[in-house]
Amino acid sequence: ETGVTQTPRHLVMGMTNKKSLKCEQHLGHNAMYWYKQSAKKPLELMFVYNFKEQTENNSVPSRFSPECPNSSHLFLHLHTLQPEDSALYLCASSQGGYYGYTFGSGTRLTVV
Amino acid sequence: QKEVEQNSGPLSVPEGAIASLNCTYSDRGSQSFFWYRQYSGKSPELIMFIYSNGDKEDGRFTAQLNKASQYVSLLIRDSQPSDSATYLCAVNPEQGGSEKLVFGKGTKLTVNP
Repeated sequence: ETGVTQTPRHLVMGMTNKKSLKCEQHLGHNAMYWYKQSAKKPLELMFVYNFKEQTENNSVPSRFSPECPNSSHLFLHLHTLQPEDSALYLCASSQGGYYGYTFGSGTRLTVV
Repeated sequence: QKEVEQNSGPLSVPEGAIASLNCTYSDRGSQSFFWYRQYSGKSPELIMFIYSNGDKEDGRFTAQLNKASQYVSLLIRDSQPSDSATYLCAVNPEQGGSEKLVFGKGTKLTVNP
């Protein structure tokens, strides 16, 4: 495996479900990120982890709960989501923002 | 508020033409600049980065940076239908560098055969 891998690629969940998104990077990067991308909106930064410590929580509702057990793995736990949370969720990693990000393939989430 | 502005388009060019994509940024201390290409339903893919004033060429792509004008652009020569995508400009703000990038809304490019 190389790069940044995200699973699942697609997820449909009801508003009362609990699910998790997984991200794994094989690049030796120290920072990992969750972004949300909705139609006709720019990328919205959700969370930043640097050396597995959370350094940014961009006023994200508590129904989104991140977890970073080590520098290579990042999870986003989802519960009691709303239909407006339907979006493409992107994980990225970097060796510092100066060098740019590598994105995973994303999870297309639909909340019904 | 650190901002990155892009013309949302859509920008439409004929095959073989030069496509010019523009981006301005608000933080004068910004250090590094990136262009990502995003096909519909896919994740962004890094295609160019530039750190110094001037031009940087990579194949059919040229990135241009003017820090005095806080302006960065991407030129695509000999545009192909496969270049049709949304192009995201991203900037690493702050004098000391930051682990975060600030993204523009993207410019949708369509290359017509």
